[in-house]
Amino acid sequence: DAKTTQPTSMDCAEGRAANLPCNHSTISGNEYVYWYRQIHSQGPQYIIHGLKNNETNEMASLIITEDRKSSTLILPHATLRDTAVYYCISGPPTGNQFYFGTGTSLTVIP
Amino acid sequence: NAGVTQTPKFRVLKTGQSMTLLCAQDMNHEYMYWYRQDPGMGLRLIHYSVGEGTTAKGEVPDGYNVSRLKKQNFLLGLESAAPSQTSVYFCASSYSSTRTASGGRPYEQYFGPGTRLTVT
Repeated sequence: DAKTTQPTSMDCAEGRAANLPCNHSTISGNEYVYWYRQIHSQGPQYIIHGLKNNETNEMASLIITEDRKSSTLILPHATLRDTAVYYCISGPPTGNQFYFGTGTSLTVIP
Repeated sequence: NAGVTQTPKFRVLKTGQSMTLLCAQDMNHEYMYWYRQDPGMGLRLIHYSVGEGTTAKGEVPDGYNVSRLKKQNFLLGLESAAPSQTSVYFCASSYSSTRTASGGRPYEQYFGPGTRLTVT
């Protein structure tokens, strides 16, 4: 059974914010939410993670709901290079058992 | 720093043949992982290792064996290849959760470029 659910695909206009939702209703107390992305056929790349507080780094922001059952990854100013598959993962801080699922295919449109 | 490298990049096998995929990392990471990705699917964990000489099964371990004789290398073996093992194989590595003094981030996995394997 999938631990997270994400929309299959999304489009976003270049320069606008891309908001990618994720449901993780069965997340347990010590599990974090992680986001990775995979550009074309390359290996996935880590973006950001969080436990219960909102997080921001140079790549993105992560908003986690108070009940921790869902989160949203925000790319503030999407560029064409952000076209990729985005994976939302819930898992322990050890990172040993990541279930990537099928992710959301984001297409940034010029 | 080469990061994570994988050998070979491409391979075609006949059913029943064996082969070994090599993953090497030069970041002194304790943890290493092997994933497979089928067309249109996400990555699935095959095996992983939390240190030299230690391995563990992931989500889809059947038909594969692994070895971690050196910290920097993680080998994935297919003893008798089957068409169902046609896939792209990714290796990854990360610091361990115990490296808190140096900011260990085991959740930040660094991936190799992948090996495209076709079994006919």
